Amino acid sequence: DGGITQSPKYLFRKEGQNVTLSCEQNLNHDAMYWYRQDPGQGLRLIYYSQIVNDFQKGDIAEGYSVSREKKESFPLTVTSAQKNPTAFYLCASRTGSGRGQPQHFGDGTRLSIL
Amino acid sequence: AQSVTQLDSQVPVFEEAPVELRCNYSSSVSVYLFWYVQYPNQGLQLLLKYLSGSTLVKGINGFEAEFNKSQTSFHLRKPSVHISDTAEYFCAVSGGNYGQNFVFGPGTRLSVLP
Repeated sequence: DGGITQSPKYLFRKEGQNVTLSCEQNLNHDAMYWYRQDPGQGLRLIYYSQIVNDFQKGDIAEGYSVSREKKESFPLTVTSAQKNPTAFYLCASRTGSGRGQPQHFGDGTRLSIL
Repeated sequence: AQSVTQLDSQVPVFEEAPVELRCNYSSSVSVYLFWYVQYPNQGLQLLLKYLSGSTLVKGINGFEAEFNKSQTSFHLRKPSVHISDTAEYFCAVSGGNYGQNFVFGPGTRLSVLP
């Protein structure tokens, strides 16, 4: 079955440490997205990528970095500059064939500080 | 930035009762509208979408939504809820004044009581 795989499901970060969240999709989608979810705040866009080797900042990109070297993969690094990283992180993808296409989501990674 | 309003942060309802979850957006031009459901510690699952045409849209799990252009609303309804419908529900908008990315509402937590 096609879908989006996020790993790990749970992740713990030590002070001053960078951590990387994995997102892989086999839907052949062009666009991929990273969201941060905090209780009561809905989803906030961190970064997105419409094509390989290109990505743009979303609304809350500070303290995060991404890469898009392959169409299937869009890893997110939470750097030590992100002072409040505890949240639920969701990866999504969408076909780029036209507007009105829905985003498809992975099952998320929950990041906590040790 | 354009926002999506979900007026009710929490909606408790008894099993087999009807429910309506409200969503309002702000765009003077046509948009695409979506409802997603999120169960605990999972990603978002698409319930239904409105792109154009009939204003009444039917989705999965017995949910439906009605697009009202004059009121810029896209309320989600179910005539008879089940315990298993307990989840967080998100309205999302893209296109129009929102651009090509998605903007999500803050979510409504539906609690179905026995």
